[in-house]
Order: sequence, then C-alpha cells, then structure tokens
Amino acid sequence: ETGVTQSPTHLIKTRGQQVTLRCSSQSGHNTVSWYQQALGQGPQFIFQYYREEENGRGNFPPRFSGLQFPNYSSELNVNALELDDSALYLCASSIHNRDLNEQFFGPGTRLTVL
Amino acid sequence: DQQVKQNSPSLSVQEGRISILNCDYTNSMFDYFLWYKKYPAEGPTFLISISSIKDKNEDGRFTVFLNKSAKHLSLHIVPSQPGDSAVYFCAASTSGSRLTFGEGTQLTVNP
Repeated sequence: ETGVTQSPTHLIKTRGQQVTLRCSSQSGHNTVSWYQQALGQGPQFIFQYYREEENGRGNFPPRFSGLQFPNYSSELNVNALELDDSALYLCASSIHNRDLNEQFFGPGTRLTVL
Repeated sequence: DQQVKQNSPSLSVQEGRISILNCDYTNSMFDYFLWYKKYPAEGPTFLISISSIKDKNEDGRFTVFLNKSAKHLSLHIVPSQPGDSAVYFCAASTSGSRLTFGEGTQLTVNP
C-alpha cells in the first residue's frame, strides 16, 4: 500500500508565472484536499476534490484551481503567481465521508516565488 | 480571522516530564478536534482526536482534553521523549468538513 505522494518536492517560479503541482492519493482513497502552509502558519484549506469535481473551497481566489483524475490523483494549478504564494503546498487523501482522522497527508511541495 | 489559535510558538521540556500543548478556538460550531505532529520534510501525521461530546480522550502517552465552555483544548504527553520533538498542530472541523488548523507549536524534548 503506497502513501500519499507529491511532485515536485521543490519548485522555484517567478511572479506572474503559472505552476502545476501533483498529488497521488493513497491506495483506496477517493478524495483529495489541498492545503497551503505559509511560513510560520498552520495549513489553510484551499479546496477538496471528490468524483473529479470540486467539493468545497476555502478563501482562495479563482487563480487557484484544481483537477481530479479518474485514478483519484489530483493537480493544483496556480495562475499569475504572486510573491505571497510562496508556501508549502500539502495534499491529503481520504475516503469520502469517513472520519477526518483517516485523512493522510503527503510530504508537500515547497513553492518559492521570486 | 484566526478561528483556531495556538498561542505558544515553542515549548521546551525535559525528557520524562509532561508536555502540555494548548489550543483555543472561537467557532462554537466546531464539533471535532484533532492533533497532528509534523517533522521537517514530512506531511502532518494524525496523533489523536476528540469529539465535542467528550471531554477527554487517551491513547497511550497522549491525552487530549476539551473544555467546550472555555473553547479550549490541550494535548498532554506523558512521559515526553526526545522523539516527540516536532511541530504540533491542533485542528478543528464542523461536521467532518475541512480542517481549520492552528499556527503550530514547536515542541523540543531535551534528553
């Protein structure tokens, strides 16, 4: 049974560029949630995907978008990058409607925007 | 609007002693609370949780206490071990929806 994996581990972009981050969910999990963790802060919920559709969204602008694929893996896309987008991006996989303590996090992608 | 707050950025304790990490929340609709541990270069890992219908939950060396009237929860680790050194996040949710995290507390357990 493989855990949650994310790619890439680190990424450097410049302001105005676009970025795509990837997440493979744990085997048997059908729901993926994305979180942004800025330096010195706790993770903040961006959105969740279930059945290839957005299933809840936090307080993030539309330039943050996502996809979920039939194999339950997911992408997070951020357009028009801003300096404040520099953060650790975490994805978490789970089984829909199961307890939150059964949600497992990946190691994250560290994004730096210059 | 920080609905979950951990007011201590860091805590240092001696091995074998008790570690107490605190967390306050403002949203009375939260009904499920969790603690996560995070090591560098790893994602948060679930530690222990508590439902709002309880005031205490134990799992080995870890105990979580919930005081709903004060909107406060705490994590007790007894005895503390050097391997417990990590960042601890408390998190809350409403009806199993998204997690709202606190800012985290860096725990250092000294041998």
